[in-house]
Amino acid sequence: EADIYQTPRYLVIGTGKKITLECSQTMGHDKMYWYQQDPGMELHLIHYSYGVNSTEKGDLSSESTVSRIRTEHFPLTLESARPSHTSQYLCASSDMGVGETQYFGPGTRLLVL
Amino acid sequence: SQQGEEDPQALSIQEGENATMNCSYKTSINNLQWYRQNSGRGLVHLILIRSNEREKHSGRLRVTLDTSKKSSSLLITASRAADTASYFCARLTSYGKLTFGQGTILTVHP
Repeated sequence: EADIYQTPRYLVIGTGKKITLECSQTMGHDKMYWYQQDPGMELHLIHYSYGVNSTEKGDLSSESTVSRIRTEHFPLTLESARPSHTSQYLCASSDMGVGETQYFGPGTRLLVL
Repeated sequence: SQQGEEDPQALSIQEGENATMNCSYKTSINNLQWYRQNSGRGLVHLILIRSNEREKHSGRLRVTLDTSKKSSSLLITASRAADTASYFCARLTSYGKLTFGQGTILTVHP
């Protein structure tokens, strides 16, 4: 079992609220990622980080933002949630130069009403 | 899809049968990885095959890679009900990012 955690697991929230999805890993990995996945669909990379103070936009445009102040922590924030943000958000991490195998957290299911 | 295709989209078999899933891609790769996802949870890495490898085994899993055809296949032998899940291939590009396919939903009936 990978040591990567996400909280909350489920979140139901009203439109306009600010939310932060937490992701932490205890493996000391430099690289961390956020993916968005709709039910039964493929994963889309929305943010990634190569280390502390490094953040990059992924392949899918997202209104969310991320920060990487500590190696183990990679939170994702939505300033004003909308129903179109309803999805599953998956966090992952990988070690530099080890084939880029990624370890995934259990995901956060977000429902914006 | 610009990311490639996986087929079949869904596969339903009986316990004990073999399951084969295919993945095609369009750009060059450093390696190709297969992941499993149970019931919409996080993904679990299954096996990685490098671009200079043609076949790899791990337990009941066998992965092949044909870089000339830009395709890979995952074979699960002697399937079990617990193998029921979605299976994704993911391609590592030279930019160091993984690009996931659309996945194959495998159902193994006891």
